[in-house]
Amino acid sequence: NAGVIQTPRHKVTGKGQEATLWCEPISGHSAVFWYRQTIVQGLEFLTYFRNQAPIDDSGMPKERFSAQMPNQSHSTLKIQSTQPQDSAVYLCASSSSDWGGQNTLYFGAGTRLSVL
Amino acid sequence: GQQVQQSPASLVLQEGENAELQCNFSSTATQLQWFYQRPGGSLVSLLYNPSGTKHTGRLTSTTVTKERRSSLHISSSQITDSGTYFCAMERFDNNAGAKLTFGGGTRLTVRP
Repeated sequence: NAGVIQTPRHKVTGKGQEATLWCEPISGHSAVFWYRQTIVQGLEFLTYFRNQAPIDDSGMPKERFSAQMPNQSHSTLKIQSTQPQDSAVYLCASSSSDWGGQNTLYFGAGTRLSVL
Repeated sequence: GQQVQQSPASLVLQEGENAELQCNFSSTATQLQWFYQRPGGSLVSLLYNPSGTKHTGRLTSTTVTKERRSSLHISSSQITDSGTYFCAMERFDNNAGAKLTFGGGTRLTVRP
């Protein structure tokens, strides 16, 4: 079990460019979450999927952020027209259930996005 | 909105000392988890403790749901315990599903 895999580990973009972040959840996990971590804001929830269906995107900046889960083996987070304030570590996590219970949330190593 | 407050923000210990980390949350949490993050590393779940007292290794967590607080006790701290500890609460909403709200973390430094 390789855990949650996120690629790339680091991404540098110029202001106004597009960035696509990839996440491969643990095989068999039905819930996939995206979080963002910054020094100032800490860990913020962005969005989550259950069985590939989008359930809650209340944390997503609406205009430029979008997330998809086209199949059970990967999810993408796309940021259009990136801005310096988008610089953060983007974390993907998966769980065997979206109801925490005794089901641990497993986080990937994150993608560090730097917008110049 | 939901808020999770952790204290202290940072803590420096000598190896072998005990650590007590506190977490207070603003609304009734249906679930409560503690996570650990090594500098530059990923988040790792330490303890899942919605209520009562749970132990794993040198870690003990006590959650008093009615008082909306949880603590994490680390006994006989080791240098490798250094990192940031996060408390996260989870609410299950039938409309929205489950998601975690994290506290700001306690940065622990254990010195030899």
